[in-house]
Amino acid sequence: DIQMTQSPSTLSASVGDRVTITCRASQSFNTWLAWYQQKAGQAPKLLIYKASNLETGVPSRFSGSGSGTEFTLTINSLQPDDFATYYCQQYDSYSTFGQGTKVEIK
Amino acid sequence: EVQLLESGGGLVQPGGSLRLSCAASGFTFGNYAMSWVRQAPGKGLEWVSVISVSGDNTYYADSVRGRFTISRDNSKNTMYLQVNSLRADDTAVYYCAKHRGWDTYDAFDIWGQGTMVTVSS
Repeated sequence: DIQMTQSPSTLSASVGDRVTITCRASQSFNTWLAWYQQKAGQAPKLLIYKASNLETGVPSRFSGSGSGTEFTLTINSLQPDDFATYYCQQYDSYSTFGQGTKVEIK
Repeated sequence: EVQLLESGGGLVQPGGSLRLSCAASGFTFGNYAMSWVRQAPGKGLEWVSVISVSGDNTYYADSVRGRFTISRDNSKNTMYLQVNSLRADDTAVYYCAKHRGWDTYDAFDIWGQGTMVTVSS
């Protein structure tokens, strides 16, 4: 099974900051990776698929990159609505989620 | 509007069973693979199971294999998860999720609101 490890677990940031979340895989795969945003009491929302493709309707301040074993989600100019928990997901071999990164207000 | 609506959750004793349902609307259900994902209270997301468009191919997480069974009825636009031999660590919100396409290996673009399963005596 492919294990996914996100870092950091918690990130404190201010509105306007650029933030980066990293997801590392226990074994290499192509670009079958997605990123989700989840707010308290809500279902997850797809942000990025195939490592770098922005889902329709998602603001362009979100971007994804990477391949192999290291992937990143970047949020440029953090907005108040972006404070949430973010998860990566590999779907190269069935599916596995990272443990999540909580982005909180500094 | 594309929508998924789960139902069937509740309080069940250890060793008990439930049948979760996921009713789809607003899209051609039979054209998409579907998955179940769960989230224990205060914890992260855990993929549980996936089913192909025809229902012929199913896969499970190691933690539920042999106890859970996924199925679908394309004529009713509904997916199911039969959960048996429930344990306390199965307590979670269970989400159904639509894949972006027909492939069982794909990201999930639509999620339901979830149904809570609590396993306790």
